[in-house]
Amino acid sequence: DQQVKQNSPSLSVQEGRISILNCDYTNSMFDYFLWYKKYPAEGPTFLISISSIKDKNEDGRFTVFLNKSAKHLSLHIVPSQPGDSAVYFCAASDSSYKLSFGAGTTVTVRA
Amino acid sequence: DAGVIQSPRHEVTEMGQEVTLRCKPISGHDYLFWYRQTMMRGLELLIYFNNNVPIDDSGMPEDRFSAKMPNASFSTLKIQPSEPRDSAVYFCASTRQGGPGSGELFFGEGSRLTVL
Repeated sequence: DQQVKQNSPSLSVQEGRISILNCDYTNSMFDYFLWYKKYPAEGPTFLISISSIKDKNEDGRFTVFLNKSAKHLSLHIVPSQPGDSAVYFCAASDSSYKLSFGAGTTVTVRA
Repeated sequence: DAGVIQSPRHEVTEMGQEVTLRCKPISGHDYLFWYRQTMMRGLELLIYFNNNVPIDDSGMPEDRFSAKMPNASFSTLKIQPSEPRDSAVYFCASTRQGGPGSGELFFGEGSRLTVL
């Protein structure tokens, strides 16, 4: 039973435009959320995180929004660049070091 | 600093054979995780260790899977006997308690397993 869901398996966006990736979770005990980025033949790498006490965290072109009441978070990438083409995983934890991941969203940035 | 090191990077074997995947975590990290990536389910946690002790193995699919961590710098994931449905990419990850970026996992490059 997947507790973290990414319902869009893929996303195509034009270079310079905004990419919005969505993630839903079911476990109300989750209090820390992360996004990971993965290139082919490499391991996932940490991108950005947010604690449940916040509703927004920004790092350069990347912003994560958290809506606890809806159990929903999103990742905004603006502007999108060709190097952003990758698989993005949403992850969540419940104050342990155990992360539950979504199935991933493949982002393709078109030139 | 060296990252998480996994071996082999690729493994092709026949059904019924034993498979052993290896992992060296980042020095100083006291948590080690084994994940499996499939198209259908994404990244699934199989087992994780804290200070070499298995904490949660509820994700291990069945008794054919076993994992050990004999010391702080080495872990193995063994599948015996292997089956075609075990074909996946297996990732090892590590982190340390309370360190900078606590809660972030550092992943190896993965071991791609194909069972024929």
